[in-house]
Amino acid sequence: SAVISQKPSRDICQRGTSLTIQCQVDSQVTMMFWYRQQPGQSLTLIATANQGSEATYESGFVIDKFPISRPNLTFSTLTVSNMSPEDSSIYLCSAGAQTIQETQYFGPGTRLLVL
Amino acid sequence: QKEVEQNSGPLSVPEGAIASLNCTYSDRGSQSFFWYRQYSGKSPELIMSIYSNGDKEDGRFTAQLNKASQYVSLLIRDSQPSDSATYLCAVTEGYKLSFGAGTTVTVRA
Repeated sequence: SAVISQKPSRDICQRGTSLTIQCQVDSQVTMMFWYRQQPGQSLTLIATANQGSEATYESGFVIDKFPISRPNLTFSTLTVSNMSPEDSSIYLCSAGAQTIQETQYFGPGTRLLVL
Repeated sequence: QKEVEQNSGPLSVPEGAIASLNCTYSDRGSQSFFWYRQYSGKSPELIMSIYSNGDKEDGRFTAQLNKASQYVSLLIRDSQPSDSATYLCAVTEGYKLSFGAGTTVTVRA
């Protein structure tokens, strides 16, 4: 299984600012994903981070609000832009090998509070 | 809209009993099925994967899959207080995962 780290682990931010979350995987992976988990809720996929091309966003999420970079096969960043209190959530990075029997492993998450 | 539904919780079981968790999904094209465990304040941890109809056992966990009924379940035998967590069912949609809302299990000592 892949070992995934995220930075920062938590942050408190002011509204209108932006935060960039980093995700590092200990091995090369084809697929990386970013999720949001709001308090008491399940996981919602924000986007798939594609190496060498633009991220693929899910319905309700746009690049201007959540720009994503994927410069290589072990690293990705998610930026939460122009934050509001509604962006307070846990942001999770996951990685999976591109096999038919897809499996995803999750990083520890970034706990974001926007004041 | 593709959906993953889990039995509503919370589920409270006495220590040593069997906890039974259920999940149904709407996409007949789904190929892979997963159960994740999430402790409060932690990220999801993969505990079981199943791809073929039937049962798959791993220690105290048994996953059951019935593609015809679009149903997947997880049994936790000899439940321990350390099994108290939220269990998330996940189903593939192509290369992506779709998650259920989760079932919170509390094991009473």
